[in-house]
Amino acid sequence: GDSVTQMEGPVTLSEEACLTINCTYTATGYPSLFWYVQYPGEGLQLLLKATKADDKGSNKGFEATYRKETTSFHLEKGSVQVSDSAVYFCALSENTGTASKLTFGTGTRLQVTL
Amino acid sequence: DAGVIQSPRHEVTEMGQEVTLRCKPISGHDYLFWYRQTMMRGLELLIYFNNNVPIDDSGMPEDRFSAKMPNASFSTLKIQPSEPRDSAVYFCASGGNQETQYFGPGTRLLVL
Repeated sequence: GDSVTQMEGPVTLSEEACLTINCTYTATGYPSLFWYVQYPGEGLQLLLKATKADDKGSNKGFEATYRKETTSFHLEKGSVQVSDSAVYFCALSENTGTASKLTFGTGTRLQVTL
Repeated sequence: DAGVIQSPRHEVTEMGQEVTLRCKPISGHDYLFWYRQTMMRGLELLIYFNNNVPIDDSGMPEDRFSAKMPNASFSTLKIQPSEPRDSAVYFCASGGNQETQYFGPGTRLLVL
């Protein structure tokens, strides 16, 4: 079945440091890929997505590129802020063009300090 | 748009009591999902609906859990009887003609 593997946390960085959170996936078809973010005490929010190979999703300074050859969708940001402290979830959906079951990774907690 | 609305936001109950969690999806969305989040098990999909019909309930832990969607604007997740191991944050999410799901703020349940 489908699965998503993301790096263990927590990740602790100083403000303005570079961030990479690794995510790899296993899927039978051509999934859409997502990064969701969960701030303390809140629900998950879509951060960015990509629906086909070589697409780059971006939002709020975060980027991730859909790499079919390495089955990866790593999350990157050039300069993190304290306000980026949250839990980040990588996810995939087998269906395109409609909502359907998402397969989530276990989440990676990011803590950014001054 | 008000987003996905869940109630209550917090619930504390005693073992054996019935618990009902409520969700109002975003208007126009025809998919609705119920998730449970715990430290030990992470985020688990319990059940999801399409056009008010349950599509996949394979994540429902046992017969004590039931979910309904009587109309397009309302869904409930019921636990009867509740047990301490049901303590978790329960999220509702909705989606439409894109792959994105929109999550509610969650209901934090504590069963004593």
